[in-house]
Amino acid sequence: GAGVSQTPSNKVTEKGKYVELRCDPISGHTALYWYRQSLGQGPEFLIYFQGTGAADDSGLPNDRFFAVRPEGSVSTLKIQRTERGDSAVYLCASSSKGQDSGANVLTFGAGSRLTVL
Amino acid sequence: RKEVEQDPGPFNVPEGATVAFNCTYSNSASQSFFWYRQDCRKEPKLLMSVYSSGNEDGRFTAQLNRASQYISLLIRDSKLSDSATYLCVVKRNTGFQKLVFGTGTRLLVSP
Repeated sequence: GAGVSQTPSNKVTEKGKYVELRCDPISGHTALYWYRQSLGQGPEFLIYFQGTGAADDSGLPNDRFFAVRPEGSVSTLKIQRTERGDSAVYLCASSSKGQDSGANVLTFGAGSRLTVL
Repeated sequence: RKEVEQDPGPFNVPEGATVAFNCTYSNSASQSFFWYRQDCRKEPKLLMSVYSSGNEDGRFTAQLNRASQYISLLIRDSKLSDSATYLCVVKRNTGFQKLVFGTGTRLLVSP
């Protein structure tokens, strides 16, 4: 597609449930990022993929959060045993390169708004 | 202390006004700097990069002061369509585009 696609756009779940959020990056973009944005805050880095591997997962808040990108394209962010504090907009972004070789622009998707009741 | 600090605002200005936003960052090894714009309930989009010598893009001027670890954005002749949140963004000195965002400054331009 022309842009980064994220599904679902909205997800309401109950505390303790399992959630999957999907990101389809721009075709050909090797670098993929997940960010989380809470109300009134800027986006907070979660994890970065270069190809199929997670090059940096230092932003994942705890082991309830996991992300995969098995074929180097679509990525899924998985949240186990959701808590009310997980409520936020989960943003995915992609870029053509991960390494710094100039002004690489991150293109964000519209986000998945997660509400945990 | 947050790595990137911004005044959250809101800044309320009339159309045609000039408005400036400031941002400070704490990591002296930060390598690249950007301003992103985010409309309400939309994703962030790159507004402009910030270069050491300062740079301009139409009505927007960005400045960087590495010694003071300070970044600014000046908007001249404000338009109603400039109403948005402006995110100050810093790239850490790593091998990939790990961007650190400020909380954003909200701008409201009124008729």
